Amino acid sequence: EDQVTQSPEALRLQEGESSSLNCSYTVSGLRGLFWYRQDPGKGPEFLFTLYSAGEEKEKERLKATLTKKESFLHITAPKPEDSATYLCAVQAPNDYKLSFGAGTTVTVRA
Amino acid sequence: NAGVMQNPRHLVRRRGQEARLRCSPMKGHSHVYWYRQLPEEGLKFMVYLQKENIIDESGMPKERFSAEFPKEGPSILRIQQVVRGDSAAYFCASSQGIATNEKLFFGSGTQLSVL
Repeated sequence: EDQVTQSPEALRLQEGESSSLNCSYTVSGLRGLFWYRQDPGKGPEFLFTLYSAGEEKEKERLKATLTKKESFLHITAPKPEDSATYLCAVQAPNDYKLSFGAGTTVTVRA
Repeated sequence: NAGVMQNPRHLVRRRGQEARLRCSPMKGHSHVYWYRQLPEEGLKFMVYLQKENIIDESGMPKERFSAEFPKEGPSILRIQQVVRGDSAAYFCASSQGIATNEKLFFGSGTQLSVL
């Protein structure tokens, strides 16, 4: 069974204090690794898809990287509006479903 | 250009009652997925449907739960004889194509509370 473990569970940052979130995964082959952002009371919002080790993608203050066993989401100089729960998910080949981790809740203080 | 619409946003049921959760996918999307999110846990896949077909229901409990996506109208997730353990947030997502490498668009969810 696919397993996704995210750490830390919660992260409190000062505005401008850069940090990284970790997503470790176990899957029989990897079709794709996904990052989503979820705000309270809302559904997940797509951020990135990574397909192969060494791949990187950026969006504003966020940068996602992928190795064969884990992915990192780097938040550079965060702002309070970056406060959210960040979810990581993997998809195996020939599978329809995404297997999600429990998420990392990021709080950025002004 | 409305996104994925779910209703109701909040649903309260007593034990033994039925719960019906509705999901209208994004315009042009014919693939619908249901996920359940329990407190402190990740989203868990329940079922994947295309119009009039259940493609994968491997995450759905064998009893009391059913899902449909008719030719016309929204997708429905039905829970019969609800129990307290069914209390959770239920999210629907849709995609334009088959669920491989496809970006999923999620609705805002239905929070089910069972008293």
